[in-house]
Amino acid sequence: DAGVTQSPTHLIKTRGQQVTLRCSPKSGHDTVSWYQQALGQGPQFIFQYYEEEERQRGNFPDRFSGHQFPNYSSELNVNALLLGDSALYLCASSGRRVNTEAFFGQGTRLTVV
Amino acid sequence: GIQVEQSPPDLILQEGANSTLRCNFSDSVNNLQWFHQNPWGQLINLFYIPSGTKQNGRLSATTVATERYSLLYISSSQTTDSGVYFCASRNSGYSTLTFGKGTMLLVSP
Repeated sequence: DAGVTQSPTHLIKTRGQQVTLRCSPKSGHDTVSWYQQALGQGPQFIFQYYEEEERQRGNFPDRFSGHQFPNYSSELNVNALLLGDSALYLCASSGRRVNTEAFFGQGTRLTVV
Repeated sequence: GIQVEQSPPDLILQEGANSTLRCNFSDSVNNLQWFHQNPWGQLINLFYIPSGTKQNGRLSATTVATERYSLLYISSSQTTDSGVYFCASRNSGYSTLTFGKGTMLLVSP
């Protein structure tokens, strides 16, 4: 049973560019959440997708957007990259019920130079 | 939103020692999870424990939801236990996880 997979694992971008990160959920899961983890901090919630719609959103600017596909996989897009967007981006998947365990991918480490 | 606080922020142990990590949360929760973050950044699930006690080998966890805290016990620690431990909880009625700042554990030989 494949767990949550993310791609790419590492990425270097220039300030002002745009980036797309990808996530495939664990088999049987239909809800995908994205988190940003800065160095030395806990992960911060960006947004969650369910049934191809953004269900909840954290305190992140509109430069952060996402998408969920019919097969439940998801993309995170960040426009106009800032140096401060450098972080580990984590994807989590879970079932549709509220009280279900979340599982995380290995993350994408984004460096903006 | 819910606030999650972890203590201690850092912990240094000798191999073989026992430790207790604490997680306090500010509101009622319907989910609580403990994770170990490996050196490559992946969050490894340790426990899904909204209430009660669970054990898995040398690790065990207890959540007392009515008093809004959870404890993670590590017995006979090994160097491979080193890393950052996070707890994360979900508000009742919501389905997103709020994380604490983590406990950095270093187990020396």
